[in-house]
Amino acid sequence: LAKTTQPISMDSYEGQEVNITCSHNNIATNDYITWYQQFPSQGPRFIIQGYKTKVTNEVASLFIPADRKSSTLSLPRVSLSDTAVYYCLVGDSAGTYKYIFGTGTRLKVLA
Amino acid sequence: GAVVSQHPSWVICKSGTSVKIECRSLDFQATTMFWYRQFPKQSLMLMATSNEGSKATYEQGVEKDKFLINHASLTLSTLTVTSAHPEDSSFYICSAGRLAGVHEQFFGPGTRLTVL
Repeated sequence: LAKTTQPISMDSYEGQEVNITCSHNNIATNDYITWYQQFPSQGPRFIIQGYKTKVTNEVASLFIPADRKSSTLSLPRVSLSDTAVYYCLVGDSAGTYKYIFGTGTRLKVLA
Repeated sequence: GAVVSQHPSWVICKSGTSVKIECRSLDFQATTMFWYRQFPKQSLMLMATSNEGSKATYEQGVEKDKFLINHASLTLSTLTVTSAHPEDSSFYICSAGRLAGVHEQFFGPGTRLTVL
């Protein structure tokens, strides 16, 4: 079973901020939360990773509440090229970081 | 950032033949690599964990005799689909892990296998 739960799909318009929330109720103490983006017929691409509170990089922000049972990926001012599937993953606490993929969120950005 | 390559990027083969897919970490050493398969419009499904110098660990339901994995060096893992059948047609993706402060996994571009 996947360790994470996300909405199956979301639609947004260009220029809007998009927030995708992921639930990971059974996250372990040593687990990190990582988000990937995948375009059709390509491998997933790393977006952002965090452990707690807020992390920001040049493309996204990641918000993690104190209980770490959920996280929110925030994409500022999306464009058509952000149309993709977004996966939230938590690392395997045994240290191997074997990822079990959930459904992901299919984001469609409309003009 | 770290780069993982796969070869070939796509392959078409006849039913009953075997196909080998290579996964290489180009600028870092990976003691652990992972193999996934992905069907259209579906998520990635983990097939096996490939450990350098030891046998691969397969996920439940994945036939180890059909999907042979070899991890002979710290930069190369191979997946061989033996006696391929049309139902094995899929997108195969590998990833390689690197411990750099926190653990990072880097995914290859994928290999599209079509079995006729």
